[in-house]
Amino acid sequence: QKEVEQDPGPLSVPEGAIVSLNCTYSNSAFQYFMWYRQYSRKGPELLMYTYSSGNKEDGRFTAQVDKSSKYISLFIRDSQPSDSATYLCAIATLGGFKTIFGAGTRLFVKA
Amino acid sequence: DVKVTQSSRYLVKRTGEKVFLECVQDMDHENMFWYRQDPGLGLRLIYFSYDVKMKEKGDIPEGYSVSREKKERFSLILESASTNQTSMYLCASTAGTSKGTNTGELFFGEGSRLTVL
Repeated sequence: QKEVEQDPGPLSVPEGAIVSLNCTYSNSAFQYFMWYRQYSRKGPELLMYTYSSGNKEDGRFTAQVDKSSKYISLFIRDSQPSDSATYLCAIATLGGFKTIFGAGTRLFVKA
Repeated sequence: DVKVTQSSRYLVKRTGEKVFLECVQDMDHENMFWYRQDPGLGLRLIYFSYDVKMKEKGDIPEGYSVSREKKERFSLILESASTNQTSMYLCASTAGTSKGTNTGELFFGEGSRLTVL
C-alpha cells in the first residue's frame, strides 16, 4: 500500500466551478500536510500547508485535514483557467527530512 | 526571490553514458534533494544531503550517486545511463536547523527532462 494515495485524474471543470481534490494517507505519524501546485514544464511550488485537523483558508483555496480518517482535501472556489495545473498532496513528519508526495491530480479549468 | 537552478532543462543521452545533473540554490539552505517524477508515480526521493559532503539514500538510489562539495551545489550522477532512467528530475532545497530537520517547504527547480535512448 502506498503511503499516500491520490487520484491522478485528469479532472476537467468549467470556469467558476468548485473543485475538490483529495488524498488519503496510511501512517498516523505524519503531522504536516501540504499541497503543491505544478504548472506544465515547471517545478512544484508550495500552495498551502497545515499542521492540524480542520480547515485552513487562503483566498479561493481551502485545505482540509481529517486525521481520524487520514484524509486531506484541497478545495478551490470560483476556479479559473489559471488554476489549470497538477496538484500534489504531500505529507511529512515535523522535524524529519522526508516529504512523501501523492501522484498528483491534473486539473483543467475550461473558460 | 529564492531560486533553485537546474543547469540542463532537456537532455538526450545514450545507454551507458555517464550523466551529470547540476543544481544550485541561492538561499543558503542546508538540505538539498533529488527527486524523479514519473506519471502515476509522483515524486520519488533518490538522494538527499543535509550538509556539505554528507549524503543519504532516499527511496530509489540504485543507479545514481550524488556529490555535494559546496553548500549551494548538489549534483546527481548517473554512472551508466539506462532507458529506465528516462524521467523528469527535480532538485529541491529546504532550510534546516540540524541534521535532516526542515521547515517543510521544499523549493524546487524547474526540472531536467532526461531521455535515455
